[in-house]
Amino acid sequence: DAGVTQSPTHLIKTRGQQVTLRCSPKSGHDTVSWYQQALGQGPQFIFQYYEEEERQRGNFPDRFSGHQFPNYSSELNVNALLLGDSALYLCASSAIAGGPHNEQFFGPGTRLTVL
Amino acid sequence: GQSLEQPSEVTAVEGAIVQINCTYQTSGFYGLSWYQQHDGGAPTFLSYNALDGLEETGRFSSFLSRSDSYGYLLLQELQMKDSASYFCAVYNTDKLIFGTGTRLQVFP
Repeated sequence: DAGVTQSPTHLIKTRGQQVTLRCSPKSGHDTVSWYQQALGQGPQFIFQYYEEEERQRGNFPDRFSGHQFPNYSSELNVNALLLGDSALYLCASSAIAGGPHNEQFFGPGTRLTVL
Repeated sequence: GQSLEQPSEVTAVEGAIVQINCTYQTSGFYGLSWYQQHDGGAPTFLSYNALDGLEETGRFSSFLSRSDSYGYLLLQELQMKDSASYFCAVYNTDKLIFGTGTRLQVFP
């Protein structure tokens, strides 16, 4: 059983460019959450998708957008990249039927570097 | 605001016991989780406490006091492979709010 997978593993972009990161959830999971983890910090919640809709959003600007597909996979898009967007981007999947505590399984992350 | 505070670093020797504390202040609370993250790796789930008390899973135990907004992770019989960062995280309406993490270094 494949766990959460993310692509690409590493990415280098320049300021002002746009980037798309991809995530496939663990089998049986229907909810995908995205987190940004700066070096030496804890992950920060960006947003969560369920039934192809954004269900919750953290304190991130509109430059960060996402999408969920019918097969539950998800994309994170970041426009007009800034140097401060350099971070590890983590995708976590869970099953909404799990109740208030939906254990989240994390993927290996995408390391984004903005030059 | 929402914040979770942890010590930045803890060191210990193999075979020892270490406790990592976490105090939290959040607008919503369903439970407290602990995650382990090795350098370059993904966070992996260790434990979850929704109610007050101690939860034990092998060498790891986690404690929660909701009235004190406090929890801790207890690691026993430390092994070299336990060297990693440990994060407490509050479940708040299905999203996780993470602390800044505690770096544990285990020495032989």
